[in-house]
Amino acid sequence: GAVVSQHPSWVICKSGTSVKIECRSLDFQATTMFWYRQFPKQSLMLMATSNEGSKATYEQGVEKDKFLINHASLTLSTLTVTSAHPEDSSFYICSAREQGASFYEQYFGPGTRLTVT
Amino acid sequence: SQQGEEDPQALSIQEGENATMNCSYKTSINNLQWYRQNSGRGLVHLILIRSNEREKHSGRLRVTLDTSKKSSSLLITASRAADTASYFCATVRTGFQKLVFGTGTRLLVSP
Repeated sequence: GAVVSQHPSWVICKSGTSVKIECRSLDFQATTMFWYRQFPKQSLMLMATSNEGSKATYEQGVEKDKFLINHASLTLSTLTVTSAHPEDSSFYICSAREQGASFYEQYFGPGTRLTVT
Repeated sequence: SQQGEEDPQALSIQEGENATMNCSYKTSINNLQWYRQNSGRGLVHLILIRSNEREKHSGRLRVTLDTSKKSSSLLITASRAADTASYFCATVRTGFQKLVFGTGTRLLVSP
């Protein structure tokens, strides 16, 4: 149980285009989903926290107009990287918190590798 | 930055040996967790230790927590090639609702 999927697992896009990454909780309802960014051989940095039906809370330094997060249902959150640039190339990982669980009990997706050319 | 530091950054051992990695953090915490990440993959939760606990075991894993020194260690006993991965600690800072990850230790276990 407690499986989180991400789609796509990898994506290549051209500079200036937008790309959408989906995060789904497959067998539980996720009240909260988290989006992280990870550069090669580095740690995960929290980008934003999204609660179902409300606006995402972004961490300091993360451009909310560039990284659009939507959490329209209890099983799906999306991250859209708008007007992507090569510096947005990274590994994006989502996690989900099951309804009723503590916020630190997060189940992580397998990640999406974004390459912007 | 409130990010934790882990050492060593990289560790290379032979199968059967023990692997120890350390995590230091800067603020008071509610709990600390250890995760494993295989190359290019998501995170797998290994173990959680609460701030009022000093030691915890799970299979071949042993975690210690010293809140006075703001540090934790993860010991993997009798390592296997399949243990090759990056290991991260993550803390929950008191009063904040987010995980803060350490810098990670890349473990290589050779057959």
